[in-house]
Amino acid sequence: SAVISQKPSRDICQRGTSLTIQCQVDSQVTMMFWYRQQPGQSLTLIATANQGSEATYESGFVIDKFPISRPNLTFSTLTVSNMSPEDSSIYLCSVEDLASGGIWTQYFGPGTRLLVL
Amino acid sequence: GESVGLHLPTLSVQEGDNSIINCAYSNSASDYFIWYKQESGKGPQFIIDIRSNMDKRQGQRVTVLLNKTVKHLSLQIAATQPGDSAVYFCAESFRAGGTSYGKLTFGQGTILTVHP
Repeated sequence: SAVISQKPSRDICQRGTSLTIQCQVDSQVTMMFWYRQQPGQSLTLIATANQGSEATYESGFVIDKFPISRPNLTFSTLTVSNMSPEDSSIYLCSVEDLASGGIWTQYFGPGTRLLVL
Repeated sequence: GESVGLHLPTLSVQEGDNSIINCAYSNSASDYFIWYKQESGKGPQFIIDIRSNMDKRQGQRVTVLLNKTVKHLSLQIAATQPGDSAVYFCAESFRAGGTSYGKLTFGQGTILTVHP
């Protein structure tokens, strides 16, 4: 499966500022996704990052708050803009890759732990 | 729709016992299911998956059972070890025709604690 890294691994930010999270994959992948995991909760899909086009956002998430870039098939960024304490979460990047048995499935990066003060 | 809770269910077992983690999924049209393991401070790790045309799939020490009639998924871990302690999430997807793209909807997760 693809190896995924994220930067930064964690950060503490002041409210009103913005943070850009990077996701790097060791192979070319078509589909990349960004998820949010609020403290003690499950994962929620923010958007699908498409190479060469705008990201597709899920209900409740907007481009102005979470702009995404996907400049090539191995890299994506998610920016959390104008942060508030409610944005404190783990942000996870995932990619689609082939699993055993020939099914495409999703693999996750290690996550970026964000605390907004 | 999604199932997201503030308080995750917990399961405590003794080392060597078998563990069963359950998940109720929401979309009767979902045709692909995955179990993930998330250890503290890490991202979710793929464990095993199953398509809707199957009702059972086995991996190394793990078995996934799918009951489409009642929209229920379970993960069985044999001879549970302390290293199995983690949060376990089920995820569902609808990918008609076997296409590669399918959004995942996650269940609320279960905390598994294995006592030596």
